[in-house]
Amino acid sequence: SQTIHQWPATLVQPVGSPLSLECTVEGTSNPNLYWYRQAAGRGLQLLFYSVGIGQISSEVPQNLSASRPQDRQFILSSKKLLLSDSGFYLCAWTRQAFNEKLFFGSGTQLSVL
Amino acid sequence: DAKTTQPNSMESNEEEPVHLPCNHSTISGTDYIHWYRQLPSQGPEYVIHGLTSNVNNRMASLAIAEDRKSSTLILHRATLRDAAVYYCILRDNQAGTALIFGKGTTLSVSS
Repeated sequence: SQTIHQWPATLVQPVGSPLSLECTVEGTSNPNLYWYRQAAGRGLQLLFYSVGIGQISSEVPQNLSASRPQDRQFILSSKKLLLSDSGFYLCAWTRQAFNEKLFFGSGTQLSVL
Repeated sequence: DAKTTQPNSMESNEEEPVHLPCNHSTISGTDYIHWYRQLPSQGPEYVIHGLTSNVNNRMASLAIAEDRKSSTLILHRATLRDAAVYYCILRDNQAGTALIFGKGTTLSVSS
């Protein structure tokens, strides 16, 4: 069966510090991968998605970047965190086919202080 | 992008049916209607999806209007564990493979 791992579960970082969140998927190959963010009391905002290694689409221009160095690994990064980067970050995947379900990780609660 | 409109919040009592509405008047002919729900402090989970016909699974039922401009997620007997944010989403082909979430409906269930 397929599983998605996301870590860490919680993270407290000072303003201006770097960020690296990692997500890996097991049990499938060539998945579509996604990063979403949810600010407190808000809906889900799509940040990045990837259909293959090295292929990243950005939905919202901001202080963050994403990379996909391996087929089942998706990394969210920032060189210098802002207060507004605080939120609940979710990684998700789907199969490479039309109309497939999204499977989400358990999320990372990031607090930038 | 095809958009969906949902009420911000709804309330229900335990053991009663719940009908969660969603309007999607700009839906295209090939857009599927997906529903997800998000429990507190968790990632969303898939509930159900459909194209034209009504759909049933172990979690819920999906009723789709004949003109496809609206749909309703039906929880037949609400439990306290059904308290969550419910998202109605259209599979947006123009955006490639991305799924765009709205603000959803926050369902409260009382005992």
